Amino acid sequence: DAEITQSPRHKITETGRQVTLACHQTWNHNNMFWYRQDLGHGLRLIHYSYGVQDTNKGEVSDGYSVSRSNTEDLPLTLESAASSQTSVYFCASSDGRKGINYNEQFFGPGTRLTVL
Amino acid sequence: AQTVTQSQPEMSVQEAETVTLSCTYDTSESDYYLFWYKQPPSRQMILVIRQEAYKQQNATENRFSVNFQKAAKSFSLKISDSQLGDAAMYFCAYRFNFGNEKLTFGTGTRLTIIP
Repeated sequence: DAEITQSPRHKITETGRQVTLACHQTWNHNNMFWYRQDLGHGLRLIHYSYGVQDTNKGEVSDGYSVSRSNTEDLPLTLESAASSQTSVYFCASSDGRKGINYNEQFFGPGTRLTVL
Repeated sequence: AQTVTQSQPEMSVQEAETVTLSCTYDTSESDYYLFWYKQPPSRQMILVIRQEAYKQQNATENRFSVNFQKAAKSFSLKISDSQLGDAAMYFCAYRFNFGNEKLTFGTGTRLTIIP
């Protein structure tokens, strides 16, 4: 069965370190998204991609970067981790073509990141 | 910019009863989608129900139904015959239709089911 996976599921790091969170989907979806979830804020969009070599900033992109070299993966990098980036991170993907699931995003299980 | 507001941080309901979760949104667009997502303690985001703005008929999925009031920009979720497995965070989300699939989420409502 097609799925979307994230790794690691839990990560503890120190302030200033570079951290990369992986997202891998086997749906062959064009669109991929990264969100962060914080209490009182719901989920907020960090970056997104509508295809290979395409990346776009979301509403909370400062301190984060992404690159899309293939259809299946969209890694999220924190260049220099800060305590304010302690959060739960969700990756999602969607088809992008018209069809019965055209407008549905499928979410990964999330990564809990703690920055000390 | 679009905004989504969930004014009820927490709700509780007796098992087998009906509960309604509120959501309002702000947009200048006329063609868009609205969603309710469920997030149980496992953290997995699960799509519960979706509504297309150009459809007047309210969406239903088994025990879940919505009351979509386009003019009032209101999109409430009704859960009938509440079950213990319905306990979760519920998020309302908005998406503009044409070529832009970014979701804008509300802050969530934590639903507790009382046995």
